[in-house]
Amino acid sequence: DGGITQSPKYLFRKEGQNVTLSCEQNLNHDAMYWYRQDPGQGLRLIYYSQIVNDFQKGDIAEGYSVSREKKESFPLTVTSAQKNPTAFYLCASSIRDRQDNEQFFGPGTRLTVL
Amino acid sequence: AQKITQTQPGMFVQEKEAVTLDCTYDTSDPSYGLFWYKQPSSGEMIFLIYQGSYDQQNATEGRYSLNFQKARKSANLVISASQLGDSAMYFCAMREGFRGGFKTIFGAGTRLFVKA
Repeated sequence: DGGITQSPKYLFRKEGQNVTLSCEQNLNHDAMYWYRQDPGQGLRLIYYSQIVNDFQKGDIAEGYSVSREKKESFPLTVTSAQKNPTAFYLCASSIRDRQDNEQFFGPGTRLTVL
Repeated sequence: AQKITQTQPGMFVQEKEAVTLDCTYDTSDPSYGLFWYKQPSSGEMIFLIYQGSYDQQNATEGRYSLNFQKARKSANLVISASQLGDSAMYFCAMREGFRGGFKTIFGAGTRLFVKA
């Protein structure tokens, strides 16, 4: 079955620690995205990648970093510089980065920083 | 400026009835796409329906239809014959074309409650 996997589903970390969220897709999609969702709000774009070895900042990139070394993988690191990291993180992919391509989402990772 | 507006934080509908979820958008890009996603309590986002800015007809997908009024910049989702499983958050999203960098912008969402 093709899809997007994110692990883990729940993650707890102490304040000041970096943490990496995993995102893997086997859909052969070129474009991948990371979103943050806070309670009662929509999704906000953190980073996106249109192709391997290339990525761009989204609207709220500060305190986050990504890499895209393989087409299938787009891990997100939440650094200690992120002021309020507790949130629900969603990874998505689309065939290409075009206005008529829908995005497919993973199940999400809920990060809690204690 | 808010580019996607969903004015209904919560909506109730009786099972088997139709419901309309409102969405208005703002863009100066002539080429854009409009999407609706469903988010159940499990958290993942499920794609429902797509409407392109140049499409002449309203999009339909099973029980979902999109009431696209370009001049009014509205893209309302209509769910016919509501089912208990339709209870979820619904997000309207817009993806601009080249001028907007192909970014997808999401609204704040509408929580739908289907009553038995």
